[in-house]
Amino acid sequence: RKEVEQDPGPFNVPEGATVAFNCTYSNSASQSFFWYRQDCRKEPKLLMSVYSSGNEDGRFTAQLNRASQYISLLIRDSKLSDSATYLCVVTPWGSGNTGKLIFGQGTTLQVKP
Amino acid sequence: DVKVTQSSRYLVKRTGEKVFLECVQDMDHENMFWYRQDPGLGLRLIYFSYDVKMKEKGDIPEGYSVSREKKERFSLILESASTNQTSMYLCASSLRDRGSEQYFGPGTRLTVT
Repeated sequence: RKEVEQDPGPFNVPEGATVAFNCTYSNSASQSFFWYRQDCRKEPKLLMSVYSSGNEDGRFTAQLNRASQYISLLIRDSKLSDSATYLCVVTPWGSGNTGKLIFGQGTTLQVKP
Repeated sequence: DVKVTQSSRYLVKRTGEKVFLECVQDMDHENMFWYRQDPGLGLRLIYFSYDVKMKEKGDIPEGYSVSREKKERFSLILESASTNQTSMYLCASSLRDRGSEQYFGPGTRLTVT
């Protein structure tokens, strides 16, 4: 079983739609969670951290469910510029302070006019 | 403005050649990472380094070696390139702390013929 699993998509949605991505992680001891965004032929960049209490940044909302080992990302009022691959990322258990991250394979979003 | 640079955007090498990929960061980060990214497999960690001259194997170190002689520079070496090493190679750096954001370079698209 992969440590981080995501539905690869693609998710094809019209502009203005609300879309949600889910991610599950296998190690219950994982402590930190993130969403990274990767545009086509570009490098990944941090989109937002995911906190136990949930957090919101404009049109983006991230939530964590530790009991179910589940992370979600909700995008409201989708824009064409949201088209990208969204990577679910967790810190591995037992990695000390090395800063390693485990990346999911990503979910691709295509927003259509 | 944080910056991670990689020596080449595109590289074509022949089977059996020794290949050097260079990565430089200007953020005084302790950690540096080398990943490869392939369709359907996501980002896979090859090696990482948490200090000068220190290195640890990632998930797929076979066929690769690394060198970190200076804090800002991390090199990936393919001792004898093979066609299955054709891939996108991404370098990243971060602070040492658990869960620190990783900053990526633009990537090197390596083709081995």
